[in-house]
Amino acid sequence: GESVGLHLPTLSVQEGDNSIINCAYSNSASDYFIWYKQESGKGPQFIIDIRSNMDKRQGQRVTVLLNKTVKHLSLQIAATQPGDSAVYFCAETKGRGAQKLVFGQGTRLTINP
Amino acid sequence: DAGVIQSPRHEVTEMGQEVTLRCKPISGHNSLFWYRQTMMRGLELLIYFNNNVPIDDSGMPEDRFSAKMPNASFSTLKIQPSEPRDSAVYFCASTRGSGANVLTFGAGSRLTVL
Repeated sequence: GESVGLHLPTLSVQEGDNSIINCAYSNSASDYFIWYKQESGKGPQFIIDIRSNMDKRQGQRVTVLLNKTVKHLSLQIAATQPGDSAVYFCAETKGRGAQKLVFGQGTRLTINP
Repeated sequence: DAGVIQSPRHEVTEMGQEVTLRCKPISGHNSLFWYRQTMMRGLELLIYFNNNVPIDDSGMPEDRFSAKMPNASFSTLKIQPSEPRDSAVYFCASTRGSGANVLTFGAGSRLTVL
């Protein structure tokens, strides 16, 4: 069945280093992917998205890479800051409509001082 | 914009009691979603509304759960009677248009059923 999974449940990086959070998806028909950030005590917050006709998309300090060949999605955060500590979720969907979003289990990113 | 507003933020109740969670979506957003988050199951979609009409409630666990959206600015999720396994964080999210993919989430309501 459809599923979105994560390679690692936790990730620790030093402040200032770059971090990479990975996500595997199983539905090759998915054409839209989103990364959400969830800080403690808050709801998930949209970070960046990418459509399947793209391989890379950059935002402010974040880059999402999509490898459709191996069905892999990654989120790169440059020069991590303490405020980046959170759980990061990838989500996938096919077509339009948020009701079709399938969320992964999440990766907890911890930034060490 | 105040974002999606949920209340209460925390609720502790005893098994068998009725629980009502409330949500005010972002003004102008006409699609509203209720999610449940647990460590075991992650984020699960319970029900979503479009233009105040329930479109898909297949994620609602059982008849003890019900949701309403009497107008464009208010929705409730009710659990009656509540059980310990209902303990979770319940999120409300909204988006503009039925075809939009990006959700804006509220801060959540943490429910503990003793």
